Amino acid sequence: RKEVEQDPGPFNVPEGATVAFNCTYSNSASQSFFWYRQDCRKEPKLLMSVYSSGNEDGRFTAQLNRASQYISLLIRDSKLSDSATYLCVVNFGNFNKFYFGSGTKLNVKP
Amino acid sequence: EAQVTQNPRYLITVTGKKLTVTCSQNMNHEYMSWYRQDPGLGLRQIYYSMNVEVTDKGDVPEGYKVSRKEKRNFPLILESPSPNQTSLYFCASSSVTGGPQYFGPGTRLTVT
Repeated sequence: RKEVEQDPGPFNVPEGATVAFNCTYSNSASQSFFWYRQDCRKEPKLLMSVYSSGNEDGRFTAQLNRASQYISLLIRDSKLSDSATYLCVVNFGNFNKFYFGSGTKLNVKP
Repeated sequence: EAQVTQNPRYLITVTGKKLTVTCSQNMNHEYMSWYRQDPGLGLRQIYYSMNVEVTDKGDVPEGYKVSRKEKRNFPLILESPSPNQTSLYFCASSSVTGGPQYFGPGTRLTVT
């Protein structure tokens, strides 16, 4: 079993739609969680950290469910520019050791 | 401008010819990492460093070496590259252990 798993998609949605991604992780001792965005084999860029209480940044909302060991990302009012691959990243508490999901591809269409 | 830089950006080499990919950050970050990205496998951590002279293995360290003699630099060394090391490599740094990372632009390596 992979340490971090994501649905690879692609998710094809029209502009303005709401879309949600989930990511499951295997280690219950995981301590920090992030969503990154990656465009076409460019470097991953931090989208948002995920906090236990959930957090929101504009159209993006991230939530953490420790009991079920998953994190989620909700994108409201999708824009064409949101088309990218979204990476889920988990730190298992081992210093600076991180595990990445394989990514979920989002295509937002006009 | 705060950034992580990598060189070279593209490299084609032959099996067995030693190479070094450089990584430098100007944010005074203590923590740095190297990753490789392969289709369907996502990013996998090769090595990470907690500070100068402190490094540890990630998930896929075989065939790679690193050093951290200065805080800003974290070179990745392939002593004897093989075709299965053909990949896209990213360097990253962070200011807090387990915290958000900032990535370099990537190095696309092809070993023939």
